[in-house]
Amino acid sequence: AQSVTQPDIHITVSEGASLELRCNYSYGATPYLFWYVQSPGQGLQLLLKYFSGDTLVQGIKGFEAEFKRSQSSFNLRKPSVHWSDAAEYFCAVGGNTGKLIFGQGTTLQVKP
Amino acid sequence: NAGVMQNPRHLVRRRGQEARLRCSPMKGHSHVYWYRQLPEEGLKFMVYLQKENIIDESGMPKERFSAEFPKEGPSILRIQQVVRGDSAAYFCASSRSTGTGLSNTEAFFGQGTRLTVV
Repeated sequence: AQSVTQPDIHITVSEGASLELRCNYSYGATPYLFWYVQSPGQGLQLLLKYFSGDTLVQGIKGFEAEFKRSQSSFNLRKPSVHWSDAAEYFCAVGGNTGKLIFGQGTTLQVKP
Repeated sequence: NAGVMQNPRHLVRRRGQEARLRCSPMKGHSHVYWYRQLPEEGLKFMVYLQKENIIDESGMPKERFSAEFPKEGPSILRIQQVVRGDSAAYFCASSRSTGTGLSNTEAFFGQGTRLTVV
């Protein structure tokens, strides 16, 4: 079955600390992988995507993610979190159509 | 180049009324996807349409929900006889086509329609 698991429902980090959000997927074909961010009451903003090639992907706002095929993971990282990063983060997987399967999301809280 | 446009942004309906949600895809995109986000949850796929065709409706509730994407005009998600449980954010996405290559298959999202059933 195709699925995406984000094991952490809520994460709290201090401003300036590093961040890693976990994402594991199950997908029968070569996956396209995405991370989106959503602020309350807003739409989805694409942070980064992986299609092929270099397994370390750089995105907007200083985020990066690493695709590890052997672990079926696509974890999102940021070296130093800013208060404005507080939001909900979604990992998604897709294939040769635009249909995506989303994880449940991780809510990030940033402490001053 | 305008992005995916959804309207209305907010919609309030009384129980038993009909809700119509509209989605205009990006220019050059012929594939549309609808997702529902219930409060405190992730997005769940509902339906995938190409012009005048439903390709995949595996996520659509069996009753009261329908979707269309006519040759001309926006895609419409229609919910008949709404109930409180239909209250959610409904997102539309569009892509150029399908097949290999992220440039063809990458889906771009609209800002969503937030439906409240009172």
